[in-house]
Amino acid sequence: EAQVTQNPRYLITVTGKKLTVTCSQNMNHEYMSWYRQDPGLGLRQIYYSMNVEVTDKGDVPEGYKVSRKEKRNFPLILESPSPNQTSLYFCASSWRDTQYFGPGTRLTVL
Amino acid sequence: QKEVEQNSGPLSVPEGAIASLNCTYSDRGSQSFFWYRQYSGKSPELIMFIYSNGDKEDGRFTAQLNKASQYVSLLIRDSQPSDSATYLCAVNANNFNKFYFGSGTKLNVKP
Repeated sequence: EAQVTQNPRYLITVTGKKLTVTCSQNMNHEYMSWYRQDPGLGLRQIYYSMNVEVTDKGDVPEGYKVSRKEKRNFPLILESPSPNQTSLYFCASSWRDTQYFGPGTRLTVL
Repeated sequence: QKEVEQNSGPLSVPEGAIASLNCTYSDRGSQSFFWYRQYSGKSPELIMFIYSNGDKEDGRFTAQLNKASQYVSLLIRDSQPSDSATYLCAVNANNFNKFYFGSGTKLNVKP
């Protein structure tokens, strides 16, 4: 089954404790992206990647890092999480103009 | 000013009616326009995309684009209770790799 998977699905952590949210797709897509979704603000793009080793900032990249060492994986790294990064995070991969979203990761930073 | 604006709703329509969802965008250089549906607690899924001025129909859904007015709309004919969801408008800006989403319009279709 073609899909985008994210792990963990839920995470509660404390300020400053580094964490990684993994994202993997099995559709051989070149383009992948990370979004955060907050009430009233909609989906905002954090980072995107055009292909392996090619990444660029989206609209709200501050406080996040990404890497793309393999085509299928695009992890999101929070080096020192803060409470304002509490949000629902979606990874997406796309072929042409169709983005396929993962199930989401709900992150709470205390 | 937000890149993409939508009325948050909720928009309530009776079953069988036409639901009309609207979206405006600020970047005149935007090239591609998308409508996503998001059920509560789920991830967004693509309904339609449109590139050119005019209408594009897919089953019960029609997307309308007016670049001069920087306006995109989605019509849902014969609305069903299963259409109740939040509808997100998205725009692919001048930089084709960046996407901007509106905050979504919540649609309630009453049986």
